[in-house]
Amino acid sequence: AQSVAQPEDQVNVAEGNPLTVKCTYSVSGNPYLFWYVQYPNRGLQFLLKYITGDNLVKGSYGFEAEFNKSQTSFHLKKPSALVSDSALYFCAVRDDDKIIFGKGTRLHILP
Amino acid sequence: GAGVSQSPSNKVTEKGKDVELRCDPISGHTALYWYRQRLGQGLEFLIYFQGNSAPDKSGLPSDRFSAERTGESVSTLTIQRTQQEDSAVYLCASRKTRSSTDTQYFGPGTRLTVL
Repeated sequence: AQSVAQPEDQVNVAEGNPLTVKCTYSVSGNPYLFWYVQYPNRGLQFLLKYITGDNLVKGSYGFEAEFNKSQTSFHLKKPSALVSDSALYFCAVRDDDKIIFGKGTRLHILP
Repeated sequence: GAGVSQSPSNKVTEKGKDVELRCDPISGHTALYWYRQRLGQGLEFLIYFQGNSAPDKSGLPSDRFSAERTGESVSTLTIQRTQQEDSAVYLCASRKTRSSTDTQYFGPGTRLTVL
């Protein structure tokens, strides 16, 4: 079965610094990978996805993710963090018609 | 409406009672998913509907859980004889087609508390 792992429960970053939220995947076949964000008391919002093509995928709110096949990773990045980026971030992978989510990483941006 | 809606937003019930949660997907979306998110946990897949095909029930945790969807419209998730471990946020999502390359859009969730 397809799966993703988010090794960090929480990441703390100072405002203005670059941020990385890690995700590794395990799939058979070509991976379809996603990042979603969940702000407090709100539903999940789609950030970006990798299907094929360029390894660097750009998404909403200035986020991007880099697909690395050799390291089986799909880390989420942003060059300069904002306090408003504080939220719960989920990496996800396609499994047939379903999307399977990681356990989430809570991102705290410190003012 | 423009997005996925769910009702009620909050539900408090007593152990042993049945509850019914509702999801209105985005109009025209053929795929509909239910997930469960326990406090501090990730999303747990429950069930998936695609058009008029038989649903994928592989994620339902017990026979107390069931869901229905009529065509490509509203879905209801029913939990019978609720237990305290059923307390969670139940999220619904819809997608335009069965293709996993399409984006899933999530509703705000129903927070279920079983006393």
